[in-house]
Amino acid sequence: QQQVKQSPQSLIVQKGGISIINCAYENTAFDYFPWYQQFPGKGPALLIAIRPDVSEKKEGRFTISFNKSAKQFSLHIMDSQPGDSATYFCAASSTGNQFYFGTGTSLTVIP
Amino acid sequence: EPEVTQTPSHQVTQMGQEVILRCVPISNHLYFYWYRQILGQKVEFLVSFYNNEISEKSEIFDDQFSVERPDGSNFTLKIRSTKLEDSAMYFCASSDFLRTSGINTQYFGPGTRLTVL
Repeated sequence: QQQVKQSPQSLIVQKGGISIINCAYENTAFDYFPWYQQFPGKGPALLIAIRPDVSEKKEGRFTISFNKSAKQFSLHIMDSQPGDSATYFCAASSTGNQFYFGTGTSLTVIP
Repeated sequence: EPEVTQTPSHQVTQMGQEVILRCVPISNHLYFYWYRQILGQKVEFLVSFYNNEISEKSEIFDDQFSVERPDGSNFTLKIRSTKLEDSAMYFCASSDFLRTSGINTQYFGPGTRLTVL
């Protein structure tokens, strides 16, 4: 059973455009939703995270939108840059222990 | 900035051999994790470790796997008898999980690529 579903699998965006990646979850006990960025050959790096008590969190060009009733959350990358080209994983956890990761989105930003 | 380190970066082994993957978590962290990522697939949880014992493990973490914190700094993952399907990238992570606030920021190491021939 896939705890966290992520889409799209791949995304191509023009430089300066908005990249949007979506995730959905089933377990209502989840209470922490991070997004990780991974470059080839590197480990996942925490990008931004949100708790369900807020509907949006913004850090620089990165924004998480959270819809508790729909059990969905999304990552928005504003003014996308070629350096943003990477694989993005959403994740969720409940007990504060293991993370359930989404299947990843490969983002390519075209100059 | 403190970071999680892992050694070796690449390990090649023969099927049936034992391997030990090593990690040095961030020094003031108390929670440690192992994940694996098969090439092109998602990151999968293996095990979490706190207070010198396993706190949670997945179905992947069978009797062939074990973890240990042999001293105050290292955290190891041992695979007793490797199989071809163990070939993957193995990531160690650590956290300063704050129970009162429920924030569990996990910091990942660069990974060890395990190739089983």
